[in-house]
Amino acid sequence: SYVLTQPPSVSVAPGQTARITCGGNNIGSKSVHWYQQKPGQAPVLVVYDDSDRPSGIPERFSGSNSGNTATLTISRVEAGDEADYYCQVWDSSSDHPYVVFGGGTKLTVL
Amino acid sequence: QLQLQESGPGLVKPSETLSLTCTVSGGSISSSSYYWGWIRQPPGKGLEWIGSIYYSGSTYYNPSLKSRVTISVDTSKNQFSLKLSSVTAADTAVYYCARLAVAGTLVWFDPWGQGTLVTVSS
Repeated sequence: SYVLTQPPSVSVAPGQTARITCGGNNIGSKSVHWYQQKPGQAPVLVVYDDSDRPSGIPERFSGSNSGNTATLTISRVEAGDEADYYCQVWDSSSDHPYVVFGGGTKLTVL
Repeated sequence: QLQLQESGPGLVKPSETLSLTCTVSGGSISSSSYYWGWIRQPPGKGLEWIGSIYYSGSTYYNPSLKSRVTISVDTSKNQFSLKLSSVTAADTAVYYCARLAVAGTLVWFDPWGQGTLVTVSS
């Protein structure tokens, strides 16, 4: 089965840039999607298809994907960005395609 | 604006079957570009995909849960449902329903329901 690996936590000061990685075997050949989940709330899509933003998501959120690592970048971090972030792919490499989530990364704004 | 709402018992006994329904409003469950899915999150843990369904009834299931899961759709009520059999305490989680956008091998969830906590306990 396909595995996505995220760091458990990332810390950043307000105004700085946060980078959250998602590692997977040749993940660059897949499309990666990112979700933000604040405490007690449902996840919200913040980036889809590696680097596209849904309407209403600030331009501060961006994504990239190459080789074995996808990255969610949050520029000019604000206190309100503190949340858990999950990456997700669709693994169609086997006879039984399925959705895979990373383990999640807790972003702390110092 | 599309909205999804989960409903069902918040407490299920071990060995019994967990049953949840997701009601879709603000759009049709029969839209050709979308699947509909269930995801769960045990307390303090990460997200786990359970399975997904197309309005025609075509399904995909998480291989680790497939033997216990049934997802069905009722287009007349704009609803889809989850049944998870032989539950144990390990099935205690917040259960979310969500719409899946599908474009070839691009599959992502948006939007999500608010989630419902299901506790497995006697």
